[in-house]
Amino acid sequence: QQQVKQSPQSLIVQKGGISIINCAYENTAFDYFPWYQQFPGKGPALLIAIRPDVSEKKEGRFTISFNKSAKQFSLHIMDSQPGDSATYFCAARGGNQFYFGTGTSLTVIP
Amino acid sequence: ETGVTQSPTHLIKTRGQQVTLRCSSQSGHNTVSWYQQALGQGPQFIFQYYREEENGRGNFPPRFSGLQFPNYSSELNVNALELDDSALYLCASSLIGGAGNEQFFGPGTRLTVL
Repeated sequence: QQQVKQSPQSLIVQKGGISIINCAYENTAFDYFPWYQQFPGKGPALLIAIRPDVSEKKEGRFTISFNKSAKQFSLHIMDSQPGDSATYFCAARGGNQFYFGTGTSLTVIP
Repeated sequence: ETGVTQSPTHLIKTRGQQVTLRCSSQSGHNTVSWYQQALGQGPQFIFQYYREEENGRGNFPPRFSGLQFPNYSSELNVNALELDDSALYLCASSLIGGAGNEQFFGPGTRLTVL
């Protein structure tokens, strides 16, 4: 059973546009929600993270929106750039374990 | 400050063999978690080591085992390799008892089982 559901599977955005990736979870015990960026042949790199007592967190062009009642959270990439082309994973922490979504392959077209 | 390192980078084994993967945690971190990432999938939690003891385990069989050493580095051992064990194996280090929650990943070891 997938603990964290992520959509879309792939996304194509024009340079300068907004990329939006969505995730949903069921376990209300999850207490930390990070997003990771992964380039081919590399390990995931932490991008931005949020706790469930906060509804929004912004760092530069990256924003997490968190809806606790709906058990959903999303990543918004503003002014998307070709260098943002990568696979993005949402995750949720429960106890000692992180549960990852299945990933979104983002392509930003120049 | 050094990041998380893993060795080897790539490895090819045959079915039934055993493999050992190694991870050095980031400086100042005391916890290592291991993940399996199949092609096109998100990382799946194998287990975590803290103070040289297993500190949580995902849905993986006992032929997946590990060690953590006093310097916080870690090994992942897989016995009786199966074709489905082919994946990228990621190590992540973190600090239990610290102010943050972040875990930092290494570059991974690509295991191919033939």
